Amino acid sequence: GAVVSQHPSRVICKSGTSVKIECRSLDFQATTMFWYRQFPKKSLMLMATSNEGSKATYEQGVEKDKFLINHASLTLSTLTVTSAHPEDSSFYICSARGPRATNEKLFFGSGTQLSVL
Amino acid sequence: AQTVTQSQPEMSVQEAETVTLSCTYDTSESNYYLFWYKQPPSRQMILVIRQEAYKQQNATENRFSVNFQKAAKSFSLKISDSQLGDTAMYFCAFMKLLYSGGSNYKLTFGKGTLLTVNP
Repeated sequence: GAVVSQHPSRVICKSGTSVKIECRSLDFQATTMFWYRQFPKKSLMLMATSNEGSKATYEQGVEKDKFLINHASLTLSTLTVTSAHPEDSSFYICSARGPRATNEKLFFGSGTQLSVL
Repeated sequence: AQTVTQSQPEMSVQEAETVTLSCTYDTSESNYYLFWYKQPPSRQMILVIRQEAYKQQNATENRFSVNFQKAAKSFSLKISDSQLGDTAMYFCAFMKLLYSGGSNYKLTFGKGTLLTVNP
C-alpha cells in the first residue's frame, strides 16, 4: 500500500525557536495532504489542508502565521511551527490522499511528538 | 457540519471474545464514507475498515466487521476473536464524498474508544 513518511518522529526545542516537520508520500503523488494535531488521549483535530502548488486551507481557530504549511511538490508537504511555545507541544500527524484508484483512502504518517521547553 | 460520536471512552474484553464498539454520526449528506481507524501505542494510524454509504452490505475485513445502519446513522465495529494486538484506541471517522473533483477529503473523527484486550 501507499506509504507516507513523516520526520522527525520526535523533536525537543527551546521556546521561541521554529521547528519544521516533513511529510512525504514515498510511492505515490499526493496532491492533497492534511495536518492534524493530537493531544494526549484525545482525538485528531484537523489543522489544515495542504494542496500542492497553492495556499493551504486552515481550519477555524488555527493561526496561519504560527503554523506555516508549504506543499511545494507532489510528494512533500512541510509544517513549520514558528516561534514555538510550550502550549504548542503536541503530537502532529500528517496524512495524504491516496492514489487515484483509492482516493478516498487517507494514508497517515507516523507522527511527530513536539516538546517545547 | 458533520459530527461523529463515540459514547464509550473505554472498553475491555477478554482475549478470544467478541466486542462491539459504537459510533453514531450526524450529517445531511447522502453520499459519504465511514471508517474505523486503529491507533496502537505506537500512535501510527491504521485503517481497519471502511464503508461506502451507498452500499447496503456491511463491510468485513477478516475478524473485523461493521453494522451500518444508514437510517439510524449508526456505524458499529465488531471485533471477533479478540487478540492482544487489538489493544488500541479506535476512532470512528466520517468523510464527505465529493464528485466535483475537489480536494476536500477531510476526515471528521470521533473522540475515540480505548480498547484493552486482557489475556
